[in-house]
Amino acid sequence: QSALTQPPSASGSPGQSVTISCTGTSSDVGGYNYVSWYQHHPGRAPKLMIYEVSKRPSGVPDRFSGSKSGNTASLTVSGLQAEDEADYYCSSYAGSYNWVFGAGTKLTVL
Amino acid sequence: EVQLVESGGGLVQPGGSLRLSCAASGFTFSSYAMHWVRQVPGKGLAWVSRISNDGSSITYADSVKGRFTISRDNAKNTLYLQMNSLRAEDTAVYYCARPGLRFAFDVWGQGTMVTVSS
Repeated sequence: QSALTQPPSASGSPGQSVTISCTGTSSDVGGYNYVSWYQHHPGRAPKLMIYEVSKRPSGVPDRFSGSKSGNTASLTVSGLQAEDEADYYCSSYAGSYNWVFGAGTKLTVL
Repeated sequence: EVQLVESGGGLVQPGGSLRLSCAASGFTFSSYAMHWVRQVPGKGLAWVSRISNDGSSITYADSVKGRFTISRDNAKNTLYLQMNSLRAEDTAVYYCARPGLRFAFDVWGQGTMVTVSS
């Protein structure tokens, strides 16, 4: 049950695109199409942004997109806006009703 | 409104116990599995435990196995986490979360802080 690997930080200017990676193993990210991404502003409840690798829940802007290749999943935020500044976490189902999260990436909008 | 509200956090000495509660409203609680997820201050989220909708299937992260017990009361729409033999490294904000979208957590509570310190 090792945490998924995410870069500690990412940044971009308003209007630009930024991609955050999430690397696991064949036992989690690579083994299931159940990768999800969460936006977390300190002091608030985490918010689901992407589920099943690339699906967006109702209400999430289409500026947010997800993908996966092998053991690495990615979250891309296009057309960066100031309100996108937050911590982002990936999560994956890891089999046998276990889940694993990434260590988080702090996204800064310059 | 779909809502989860945690309670029961606080300061406890190492080796002590605490029981967290998570009150659910706005949805059919008994239809959903439920989870606990925690965030150590300054660190990332970490999955803690999962219980099936009827309580018959339970899993734990290795870090809490044998010390924490998850349970639920569907009549009271409440999820619990009994935490025993607490350690300093259990200090965290504890969230309850609903896996409403295919293994993804679509509803979260605001969290309750647990501090383990002498």
